[in-house]
Amino acid sequence: DAGITQSPRYKITETGRQVTLMCHQTWSHSYMFWYRQDLGHGLRLIYYSAAADITDKGEVPDGYVVSRSKTENFPLTLESATRSQTSVYFCASTQFGGGETQYFGPGTRLLVL
Amino acid sequence: DAKTTQPTSMDCAEGRAANLPCNHSTISGNEYVYWYRQIHSQGPQYIIHGLKNNETNEMASLIITEDRKSSTLILPHATLRDTAVYYCIVPSYNNNDMRFGAGTRLTVKP
Repeated sequence: DAGITQSPRYKITETGRQVTLMCHQTWSHSYMFWYRQDLGHGLRLIYYSAAADITDKGEVPDGYVVSRSKTENFPLTLESATRSQTSVYFCASTQFGGGETQYFGPGTRLLVL
Repeated sequence: DAKTTQPTSMDCAEGRAANLPCNHSTISGNEYVYWYRQIHSQGPQYIIHGLKNNETNEMASLIITEDRKSSTLILPHATLRDTAVYYCIVPSYNNNDMRFGAGTRLTVKP
């Protein structure tokens, strides 16, 4: 009953470094999502994927890259981390898109120094 | 997504019903109302959703007004563990950008 997992749970990095956050789900859901949540604010969508090899931008995609070679994995890469990318990152999945119920992972807390 | 308006914060006594309101006056006919909550530091958790009829599950009840311009999430017997931020969301049909606003911070007090 793993559900949706994220790794690492905590990450400290330096400005300019590349960082990859991993998301894995065991439900074979078609849709996967990446959100960021800054302190004291709601979630904002970064990217989502409707299926393997299909990705699309959300509200705040700049500075991020995603890929989806396998249905169960949806990694998020910060190619050159900036301090403004310090945030909590949540991954979510759902079988059907279009606003269907999303199931969230536990989050990754990223600090960029 | 239809814009939603929620109070910033609310308090509730333990054991009493918590009634969380949400206004969504621009909702379209085929748009659902979803409620999620986020307990401190955790990922958001789905609670309930509805279209126009009232809904109930093991966690909560959802009351949607006849004109569908507002709804109320009811936690019938709030416990301390229900302290969280509650989000009311009306995602556009076929829109995968589900907008989480600031939500309502519910504090259940002993």
